[in-house]
Amino acid sequence: SAVISQKPSRDICQRGTSLTIQCQVDSQVTMMFWYRQQPGQSLTLIATANQGSEATYESGFVIDKFPISRPNLTFSTLTVSNMSPEDSSIYLCSVEGWGGGEQFFGPGTRLTVL
Amino acid sequence: QQQVKQSPQSLIVQKGGISIINCAYENTAFDYFPWYQQFPGKGPALLIAIRPDVSEKKEGRFTISFNKSAKQFSLHIMDSQPGDSATYFCAASSWGKLQFGAGTQVVVTP
Repeated sequence: SAVISQKPSRDICQRGTSLTIQCQVDSQVTMMFWYRQQPGQSLTLIATANQGSEATYESGFVIDKFPISRPNLTFSTLTVSNMSPEDSSIYLCSVEGWGGGEQFFGPGTRLTVL
Repeated sequence: QQQVKQSPQSLIVQKGGISIINCAYENTAFDYFPWYQQFPGKGPALLIAIRPDVSEKKEGRFTISFNKSAKQFSLHIMDSQPGDSATYFCAASSWGKLQFGAGTQVVVTP
């Protein structure tokens, strides 16, 4: 399985500010995804990070609020923009390898918005 | 609209017992069904997964049973250990996009 790291691991931010979360994988992968896990809840897919093109967002998530970049096959960023307390969640990146199917998650970024 | 329904919400089992978690789905386009284990403060870890052309898959103490016609699948944890105490999520995938169940908190008592 791939080794996935996320930065920062946690942060406390003020309302109205933005935070960029980084996801780094130790090997090239085909697919990268971003998920949100609200406190005590399940995971919800935010978007698919496409290498070299715009991300594909799920219903309820928009690019202006969650801009995503994926400059190469091992790295992606998610920005949470104009934050409000409702954005307090754990944000997780996941990757799918070349064989397809198996998807592995990073350790997550725990975000608290005051 | 929750595409994957998971039950029970929580489960208490004695050490050595069997934990059973059930999931059901509606979308027949799903083609991959993984189970994840999550400990507090950690990301979900892939436990075991199955594709719809197989009815059962076993890895160590963990077994997935899959019923394609009923659109149901389940996780069995045999000989449950205190270290298995965690939250378990079933999921279903179409084109790599995972839809997760609500999760089951499993507590294994000594």
